[in-house]
Amino acid sequence: SAVISQKPSRDICQRGTSLTIQCQVDSQVTMMFWYRQQPGQSLTLIATANQGSEATYESGFVIDKFPISRPNLTFSTLTVSNMSPEDSSIYLCSVLTEYTEAFFGQGTRLTVV
Amino acid sequence: EDQVTQSPEALRLQEGESSSLNCSYTVSGLRGLFWYRQDPGKGPEFLFTLYSAGEEKEKERLKATLTKKESFLHITAPKPEDSATYLCAPRGDSWGKLQFGAGTQVVVTP
Repeated sequence: SAVISQKPSRDICQRGTSLTIQCQVDSQVTMMFWYRQQPGQSLTLIATANQGSEATYESGFVIDKFPISRPNLTFSTLTVSNMSPEDSSIYLCSVLTEYTEAFFGQGTRLTVV
Repeated sequence: EDQVTQSPEALRLQEGESSSLNCSYTVSGLRGLFWYRQDPGKGPEFLFTLYSAGEEKEKERLKATLTKKESFLHITAPKPEDSATYLCAPRGDSWGKLQFGAGTQVVVTP
């Protein structure tokens, strides 16, 4: 299994500002992902965080809005840029271990006011 | 286009009343069907991964089964602590990516 630490756990931000979310894993993992869960909804994949290269974004998500870094096999960050109230969601980091099990962090609950 | 449908959307059970949740999927090249439990305000908790039709996995009061088009999560003699939203997510040709269903919210009353 993998233990994932996400920071911050929650934040309230002013519109127009940016927030960077950190994801730290207790072991090296090949695949890391960032998901969004809007209120009352299921999980939507934002992007795959690639170690040492640009992230791979899903349709509807762009790098300028959600820049992602992954400097090594245990750490990644997601930035939510130029925030608006529509960005209020839970953001979740996920890792896939040996392509068989996928674990999630506890999430970051973001409220934009 | 890949699709995932979970039913029912919500399920209310008496303690001890067994039931099943359904996950129907159309995913090309299935590389695993994942089940999760999610409690309010928390990240999804991994339960099972199933890979081939006929496969079954169990954990406490939960048993997951898989066919070519569906997966079932059976809850046997549930307890109030089994109350949660249960999510299924198949992984297809896109390496590593999971596509989540909308979930089934289960409430178990004493």
